[in-house]
Amino acid sequence: GESVGLHLPTLSVQEGDNSIINCAYSNSASDYFIWYKQESGKGPQFIIDIRSNMDKRQGQRVTVLLNKTVKHLSLQIAATQPGDSAVYFCAGQIPNSNSGYALNFGKGTSLLVTP
Amino acid sequence: DTEVTQTPKHLVMGMTNKKSLKCEQHMGHRAMYWYKQKAKKPPELMFVYSYEKLSINESVPSRFSPECPNSSLLNLHLHALQPEDSALYLCASSQRGLAGTDTQYFGPGTRLTVL
Repeated sequence: GESVGLHLPTLSVQEGDNSIINCAYSNSASDYFIWYKQESGKGPQFIIDIRSNMDKRQGQRVTVLLNKTVKHLSLQIAATQPGDSAVYFCAGQIPNSNSGYALNFGKGTSLLVTP
Repeated sequence: DTEVTQTPKHLVMGMTNKKSLKCEQHMGHRAMYWYKQKAKKPPELMFVYSYEKLSINESVPSRFSPECPNSSLLNLHLHALQPEDSALYLCASSQRGLAGTDTQYFGPGTRLTVL
């Protein structure tokens, strides 16, 4: 199976600054990627996704960038707010495989937003 | 609406008890999942149901027994658990129910403590 990992386990940013969370994946067959936000004591919450035929996708205050050449994706959060404090997971999927259901999660990055 | 509900929110049980976790979704999704998440770790896939049939069992011990009574409900029956089974148990669902790339939406989880 593939491994999807994050470069930084923790990230501390000031309120109002932009945040960038990085993720590397190992299996080039990965076709679909999701970013989840998980607050303490809650389940993972879908933030944004991207398919391998795209290199950028924007949502509300969030942007995901995908670089298939180096097998890297990132989540950018604009004007970070205290409510953005959480653990962020990237997850990848490989289509049409026996484990095609499996979300291969990265280790997670804890984002702390300071006033 | 992307809501997956889980009950109970918290559960404490002894090693000889039998209990069940419940999950429900009314989004018409055809795949449902059980994940186990330990503290500060990403979720780990346990079971997948596709069109109400068990599709994947990730070598989970038999003391965990899943059940899918209908397309909206998913249960996880617990019996003779060990203290190391204490974790957050997450349910998720996705639309298509076919192996491949499909967004999974998570419930809030059940925090299980085994004494």
